[in-house]
Amino acid sequence: QKEVEQNSGPLSVPEGAIASLNCTYSDRVSQSFFWYRQYSGKSPELIMSIYSNGDKEDGRFTAQLNKASQYVSLLIRDSQPSDSATYLCAVNDNQGGKLIFGQGTELSVKP
Amino acid sequence: GAGVSQSPRYKVAKRGQDVALRCDPISGHVSLFWYQQALGQGPEFLTYFQNEAQLDKSGLPSDRFFAERPEGSVSTLKIQRTQQEDSAVYLCASRTGQGDRYSNQPQHFGDGTRLSIL
Repeated sequence: QKEVEQNSGPLSVPEGAIASLNCTYSDRVSQSFFWYRQYSGKSPELIMSIYSNGDKEDGRFTAQLNKASQYVSLLIRDSQPSDSATYLCAVNDNQGGKLIFGQGTELSVKP
Repeated sequence: GAGVSQSPRYKVAKRGQDVALRCDPISGHVSLFWYQQALGQGPEFLTYFQNEAQLDKSGLPSDRFFAERPEGSVSTLKIQRTQQEDSAVYLCASRTGQGDRYSNQPQHFGDGTRLSIL
């Protein structure tokens, strides 16, 4: 069983809409959660980190964490075509800090 | 440097050849990670260094894979007798701090080396 699960997509939303990306994880003791954005042929770029239950907002991005449900999500408001990329959910393994990634969700924002 | 630097960006090798991939982490970052990313998949952990010590190599897929960081800065990932299944993007990441209290700090990635084995 994969430890971090994401829908692979593609997820297609119109420009200006809210894009909702979801992720579940299996390790109940995980403490740190990250969203990375990866453009084709480029390296993963950190978008958000979240450590506590609830919402964390940064500009157009909001990360949501629910440890009881082992669920973390990323909302992108006012989606732009430049947001089109693969979004990777990553969970810290608490032992040295290696990241366990989901397979990524491909987001396409249509003008 | 300003970011994590990896070289070469692209490497093509014939099956059976040895390859060496280089990572230069962000200055002052003591923790360094190697990941392998297959096409359409998320990165998968290979190995982790804290300074020059290799603390976790549980993700290395076989004994053909070897990594080192002799002076606690630049790291090299070596793959011996390459196979076609080794074709992937190899990502290096670094993180500030050491020890458990920094383990939740984000990792910063280089642009990777795209390895193709013919």
